[in-house]
Amino acid sequence: GAVVSQHPSWVICKSGTSVKIECRSLDFQATTMFWYRQFPKQSLMLMATSNEGSKATYEQGVEKDKFLINHASLTLSTLTVTSAHPEDSSFYICSARDGVTGDGKPQHFGDGTRLSIL
Amino acid sequence: GQNIDQPTEMTATEGAIVQINCTYQTSGFNGLFWYQQHAGEAPTFLSYNVLDGLEEKGRFSSFLSRSKGYSYLLLKELQMKDSASYLCAVRDPNTGFQKLVFGTGTRLLVSP
Repeated sequence: GAVVSQHPSWVICKSGTSVKIECRSLDFQATTMFWYRQFPKQSLMLMATSNEGSKATYEQGVEKDKFLINHASLTLSTLTVTSAHPEDSSFYICSARDGVTGDGKPQHFGDGTRLSIL
Repeated sequence: GQNIDQPTEMTATEGAIVQINCTYQTSGFNGLFWYQQHAGEAPTFLSYNVLDGLEEKGRFSSFLSRSKGYSYLLLKELQMKDSASYLCAVRDPNTGFQKLVFGTGTRLLVSP
């Protein structure tokens, strides 16, 4: 089945550091990937839609200059949290779909990245 | 906007059957998904319904009624490992059904 790989799985770093998270579709091409953030005991919050070869689409309230998204190929999207601060500490999850919109294929999620900013 | 409602928490006993309900209000419909998420892990896909009726997959079944804006996930022969959050999600018609809109999830606790 479709597999999405996310790396790293855990990051601990100092305030002010920029952190890059990678999301790869391993056995399918994904023109669109999604980035979510999840705080403890809360549901997934969509941050942005990553489109291959074009700019990402950000959800309302998400700072595009803070969360830089690059979708340079059909199998790789990256999220960079720039100048991270403790309030950015969260669980970041990417997902991708294999197939066109309208079919029954679900989004498959990466294993997530737990980001802790000290 | 789109709205999805699920109970916040449920408890059940090992070996029992539990039904997790989900109601939704959307301006358009193109399928409903159920995901399972264990604490500290990413969601995993369980089921997809786009037509009315019951879809069975082993111990898990999912039901959909489009006219009622209602779905449920049925878990049979509960095991301790089924303790997790269960997320109901629908495709967002405002985005050409590209994005998923998630409910807040139902935390299920299975006790011995």
